[in-house]
Amino acid sequence: DAGITQSPRYKITETGRQVTLMCHQTWSHSYMFWYRQDLGHGLRLIYYSAAADITDKGEVPDGYVVSRSKTENFPLTLESATRSQTSVYFCASTPGTGGDTQYFGPGTRLTVL
Amino acid sequence: DQQVKQNSPSLSVQEGRISILNCDYTNSMFDYFLWYKKYPAEGPTFLISISSIKDKNEDGRFTVFLNKSAKHLSLHIVPSQPGDSAVYFCAASNTGKLIFGQGTTLQVKP
Repeated sequence: DAGITQSPRYKITETGRQVTLMCHQTWSHSYMFWYRQDLGHGLRLIYYSAAADITDKGEVPDGYVVSRSKTENFPLTLESATRSQTSVYFCASTPGTGGDTQYFGPGTRLTVL
Repeated sequence: DQQVKQNSPSLSVQEGRISILNCDYTNSMFDYFLWYKKYPAEGPTFLISISSIKDKNEDGRFTVFLNKSAKHLSLHIVPSQPGDSAVYFCAASNTGKLIFGQGTTLQVKP
């Protein structure tokens, strides 16, 4: 089915471990985004990508790494997970810029113990 | 520094009545505003948007109003239905990146 998917949906890990969250979209949208949702903060942008091999930092990039070797995939890696990275992570995509609606995946709930 | 604020964490209304959700912003360079709706354990879904050159946009039961001089936008839902119970996020766009408010939880009571 067409759309945007995230995996895993739930993940529990320990402090210091490396974790990779996957995001896949079938629309061939140019832009992809990673957000985290925390109580009292809404959704905050971590990283975004305008196209394959083009990525840029958002509001809260520290502790995260992204890559985009293919248009349809945009993985987010926590190189050494910390408890403050416990959150719900959402991936989104959009065909362009200038206010284009972003379409969100179902989210990954990550718990760092 | 929160550029987009939703000052009401929650709102409760009776079914059939109007729901009004509010959002304030500080950056006058924002050129596009959106409302998203989010159910538990799901991603946000787009609801309605408005360009900064307009002051109103309507889509069925949902209307968004923009007051640029006050840097304020609001979402009106008329009539409210129990299925509208969700978290509502306003968002503002500048150069394609969205800045979200903290969200308002709407409860519509039957």
